[in-house]
Amino acid sequence: KAGVTQTPRYLIKTRGQQVTLSCSPISGHRSVSWYQQTPGQGLQFLFEYFSETQRNKGNFPGRFSGRQFSNSRSEMNVSTLELGDSALYLCASSLDRLAGGVETQYFGPGTRLLVL
Amino acid sequence: GDSVTQMEGPVTLSEEAFLTINCTYTATGYPSLFWYVQYPGEGLQLLLKATKADDKGSNKGFEATYRKETTSFHLEKGSVQVSDSAVYFCALRATSGTYKYIFGTGTRLKVLA
Repeated sequence: KAGVTQTPRYLIKTRGQQVTLSCSPISGHRSVSWYQQTPGQGLQFLFEYFSETQRNKGNFPGRFSGRQFSNSRSEMNVSTLELGDSALYLCASSLDRLAGGVETQYFGPGTRLLVL
Repeated sequence: GDSVTQMEGPVTLSEEAFLTINCTYTATGYPSLFWYVQYPGEGLQLLLKATKADDKGSNKGFEATYRKETTSFHLEKGSVQVSDSAVYFCALRATSGTYKYIFGTGTRLKVLA
């Protein structure tokens, strides 16, 4: 079974631009979460989508947004990029939430964004 | 709120040394606990997990036991290899409420030949 894939792997943008990152979950996984990883702040949760609905949200400004499509693929968008948005953006997928079940997250390789 | 605290790194060991990376958590109820590993330039990989008190997760020689009484989930390995050099993340998933994943700050391990 193919793992989580993220595109592009590397991206260079300039301040003020916007960017869209894509994530394809493992087949059958309906939950997709996004994280930002930086050396200073570590791994920070951005948001989680399940069945095309945002289920959880972290403490990021409104410039960060996301969506999920009917095939569970997800995109995240960052508008008006700032230098501090330079980071590794990780996507993780998991199975449906089942009562009493454990939803292990499986991570993609990440998209490394550099804002100049 | 829920939180995970890991020992700060970096941890530097010689090959074949014993490894312990401490992890403690704060959570309501009975969270599931995880260890993930991140090799340079890659995403996080699940290393092991435990879902209830006294469960022991194990994989590739690594072990961790879910200790409810001490709210801990320490990672151990009896004999580390150079290839174990990576960053290790402890995480919990609440089993009620928001069901969010909470990650520790990560501990960098460097194993010298």
